[in-house]
Amino acid sequence: SAVISQKPSRDICQRGTSLTIQCQVDSQVTMMFWYRQQPGQSLTLIATANQGSEATYESGFVIDKFPISRPNLTFSTLTVSNMSPEDSSIYLCSVRGGAGDNYGYTFGSGTRLTVV
Amino acid sequence: KQEVTQIPAALSVPEGENLVLNCSFTDSAIYNLQWFRQDPGKGLTSLLLIQSSQREQTSGRLNASLDKSSGRSTLYIAASQPGDSATYLCAVVTNDYKLSFGAGTTVTVRA
Repeated sequence: SAVISQKPSRDICQRGTSLTIQCQVDSQVTMMFWYRQQPGQSLTLIATANQGSEATYESGFVIDKFPISRPNLTFSTLTVSNMSPEDSSIYLCSVRGGAGDNYGYTFGSGTRLTVV
Repeated sequence: KQEVTQIPAALSVPEGENLVLNCSFTDSAIYNLQWFRQDPGKGLTSLLLIQSSQREQTSGRLNASLDKSSGRSTLYIAASQPGDSATYLCAVVTNDYKLSFGAGTTVTVRA
């Protein structure tokens, strides 16, 4: 299955600033996703990152707050903009594997964000 | 909208006992179902993937069953060890390839 390198692993940021999270995949993948996991909660899908076009956002998430880039089939970034303490969460990227992986999903190691 | 429920929310057992983790989902039109493990503050590790046409999958001490018609999956972990302590997440893949997660079952295996 694909191996994902996600950076940074953690960060402490001041409110009002922005943080960009990167995910690098060791193979080309068509489908890439970004999730948020708030403290004590399960994962919520933020958006699907589409190569060469705008991301598709889920209800409750907007591009101005969570801009996403997907310049090629192996890389994506998620920016958390104008942060507030409510944005403190773990952010994870995920990819859908191919036929060899029975189309299973692989996750990055996560970015633990604390906003102070 | 797909709703995924995991029961129990938490489980504490002595080492050596078998674990039974339950997952139910409301819409049986799923593409497949995947079980993950999450250690505190970490990412997700895939344990087992069951395609919608399958009834079960096995890997070592782990076995997962799927009854799509009744909207249920069960993860069995045999002969539990302290290293099995983690949160276990069930995720249902819908036909638009998005994952819907349950809230997880937090397992503690006591030595």
